[in-house]
Amino acid sequence: DTGVSQDPRHKITKRGQNVTFRCDPISEHNRLYWYRQTLGQGPEFLTYFQNEAQLEKSRLLSDRFSAERPKGSFSTLEIQRTEQGDSAMYLCASSPLAGNQETQYFGPGTRLLVL
Amino acid sequence: AQKITQTQPGMFVQEKEAVTLDCTYDTSDPSYGLFWYKQPSSGEMIFLIYQGSYDQQNATEGRYSLNFQKARKSANLVISASQLGDSAMYFCAMRETAGGTSYGKLTFGQGTILTVHP
Repeated sequence: DTGVSQDPRHKITKRGQNVTFRCDPISEHNRLYWYRQTLGQGPEFLTYFQNEAQLEKSRLLSDRFSAERPKGSFSTLEIQRTEQGDSAMYLCASSPLAGNQETQYFGPGTRLLVL
Repeated sequence: AQKITQTQPGMFVQEKEAVTLDCTYDTSDPSYGLFWYKQPSSGEMIFLIYQGSYDQQNATEGRYSLNFQKARKSANLVISASQLGDSAMYFCAMRETAGGTSYGKLTFGQGTILTVHP
C-alpha cells in the first residue's frame, strides 16, 4: 500500500498567479485533510473531506482558496490570486473513517513560495 | 488559549541516551486522542505514537513511549536509545471529538527541535 502522495513537491509563483496542488490519499481512506504550515510553526487545519463531501473549513481558508475531492479519491487545493503571505508548506493527510485511533497519515507536502 | 503547548523549542541529547519531549494540552472534551509526529528536514510528517484519553496504559511503539498523565493534562514523548536519525522536529497534536462535530482535525503544538549528538 502506497502512502499519501502530493504533487508538485515545490512551487514558485509570482504574486497574483493561481496555483493548484494535488493530493492522492491512501486508497480506501475516506477522510482527507489539508493543513498549512508556515516556517517554525505547527501545521494548521484548513479543510476536511469525508469521501467527496467537504464537511469542514477553517476560517484560515479565505475566498481565494478552494478545495475539491470530486470522486472521493484525490483532492485538489487551488489558491487564486496568490499573495506573499500564502508562502507555506501545504500538507495533505488521510485517515480511515472507522476505528478509534483514526491516525492521520501525511504526504510529503507542497512547498509554495510566492514572489 | 493554546490547546497544545510544547515549551521546549530545542532539545539536545547524546546518542544512545533517552530524552523526554514535553507536551501539555487543554480540552474540556472527555474523549480525545493525542498524537506525536516527527518531521525531518524533508518536511514529511511521520506518525510515531497515539494515546487515547480512555486508554488505561501508556502507549509504546518500539523506542517511543508516551508518558500520559491525564490529571496534569500532559502527554510527554520519551525516546529511548537515541539515534542520529532521530534528529528532527517533533510535534504533539490533539484530536477532539467535540460532540462529533470536529471531524477529527488535529491541533498541533509549536514543535520541539531535537538534535542528537554522536
